[in-house]
Amino acid sequence: EPEVTQTPSHQVTQMGQEVILRCVPISNHLYFYWYRQILGQKVEFLVSFYNNEISEKSEIFDDQFSVERPDGSNFTLKIRSTKLEDSAMYFCASSVQGRETGELFFGEGSRLTVL
Amino acid sequence: SQQGEEDPQALSIQEGENATMNCSYKTSINNLQWYRQNSGRGLVHLILIRSNEREKHSGRLRVTLDTSKKSSSLLITASRAADTASYFCATGNTDKLIFGTGTRLQVFP
Repeated sequence: EPEVTQTPSHQVTQMGQEVILRCVPISNHLYFYWYRQILGQKVEFLVSFYNNEISEKSEIFDDQFSVERPDGSNFTLKIRSTKLEDSAMYFCASSVQGRETGELFFGEGSRLTVL
Repeated sequence: SQQGEEDPQALSIQEGENATMNCSYKTSINNLQWYRQNSGRGLVHLILIRSNEREKHSGRLRVTLDTSKKSSSLLITASRAADTASYFCATGNTDKLIFGTGTRLQVFP
């Protein structure tokens, strides 16, 4: 069964360092998302991406964050200068539909620890 | 403001019992979805109910939607230990999905 894959599963970094989290969405999906979940808290929307551009972003997704689809398969989230509060689980998701907000398929997440 | 809030926050039951979780939301919706998350894992879609539907079934899951009260419920019948997880409702009107705070369900064998 097709699945969303994320790498790395766990990354430890020093505050102020740049981090890139990678995702391979399901191949025929058109809409891509990043969410984050701070330990024990709710799943928070960061950004959605369609047709090679950001379609929605939350207040969390400030200038320190960027997303890119560098080729036909990968979807990346970059955090330019990490802060302690960026420590969280980051989930990538993809969907065939977007505007009707259909089912999202999630990856297993990348745990980011900022020291 | 939060879009979805589930209650209870935590629920503990014995295997074989039914589990009911509720979700309230604030704005109008096109549909409402329920997801499950095992500890430390990604979210898995369970069921989607459209705004013009009142009830939907999928296996041991039953979802109801009351748009007049802006609420939904998820019923898991004949629960199993493997149902232990967090359950989230999610709503969205554009190309983003906003998740509620979740209900942690513990099913004891």
